[in-house]
Amino acid sequence: AQSVTQLDSHVSVSEGTPVLLRCNYSSSYSPSLFWYVQHPNKGLQLLLKYTSAATLVKGINGFEAEFKKSETSFHLTKPSAHMSDAAEYFCVVSASGTYKYIFGTGTRLKVLA
Amino acid sequence: GAGVSQSPSNKVTEKGKDVELRCDPISGHTALYWYRQSLGQGLEFLIYFQGNSAPDKSGLPSDRFSAERTGGSVSTLTIQRTQQEDSAVYLCASRQMRGDSYNEQFFGPGTRLTVL
Repeated sequence: AQSVTQLDSHVSVSEGTPVLLRCNYSSSYSPSLFWYVQHPNKGLQLLLKYTSAATLVKGINGFEAEFKKSETSFHLTKPSAHMSDAAEYFCVVSASGTYKYIFGTGTRLKVLA
Repeated sequence: GAGVSQSPSNKVTEKGKDVELRCDPISGHTALYWYRQSLGQGLEFLIYFQGNSAPDKSGLPSDRFSAERTGGSVSTLTIQRTQQEDSAVYLCASRQMRGDSYNEQFFGPGTRLTVL
C-alpha cells in the first residue's frame, strides 16, 4: 500500500528566505515521487520527480528535493522564495510498475513581502 | 506542443441536471486519468483509461458518474442528476506509457463545476 503525508497544510515565508515543504511517504515497492505546483485557478505543473538515478533532484524555478529512504521523506526546498512561488504544492507517490498516483493533501505556500 | 485541454473551463448547473465534461489529452498519450478536487482538498482519483484495456472505475463515487474514451483519445466525464456535493474542480491528466514507470502525468487546467 502507498500513502503520502504532507506535514504542513500552510507555510508562510518572507520573500528571499528559504522554503521547506515537508513530505513523508509510505510504499511497499520502490516508489516514484513527484512534486507538483498549482497556482490559483490553474492545473498542476510538475516541479520535479525522483527516478532513482540520484537522491538529490533538481527541478524548475530553483526547487529541489532530496529522497531519503531511511527517513521515508521527500522534502521540497528552495534557497530563496519569490513572490511568484505562492501557490499550492502537492507531493505524489506512485509504486514502480503501477499506474495509480497517490496525492498528498497539499501545502499552501504564502510568500510575504 | 499542445498540452491537455479541458472544456468547459467553468460550468454552472442546477441540481438534478446532467453535465458533460470533456478532456483532450496530449497526442500519443495512451493513459488518461480523471480526478476531482474539492475546495481545500487533495486530488481524488475517479477513473483511469489505458489504451484498449478495461478502465479502472474504482474511484467513481456513485453510479451517477460515468466516463468514456472514444478512439483512445478524447474522454468525456458525465455526471447525471447533479447534486450540490458534486461541486468541485474536475481535472484530467494524460501520461505517456513507457517501459519505466517514472514518467509523470500532464494535467489540464480543469473544469470548475458549480451545482446550485
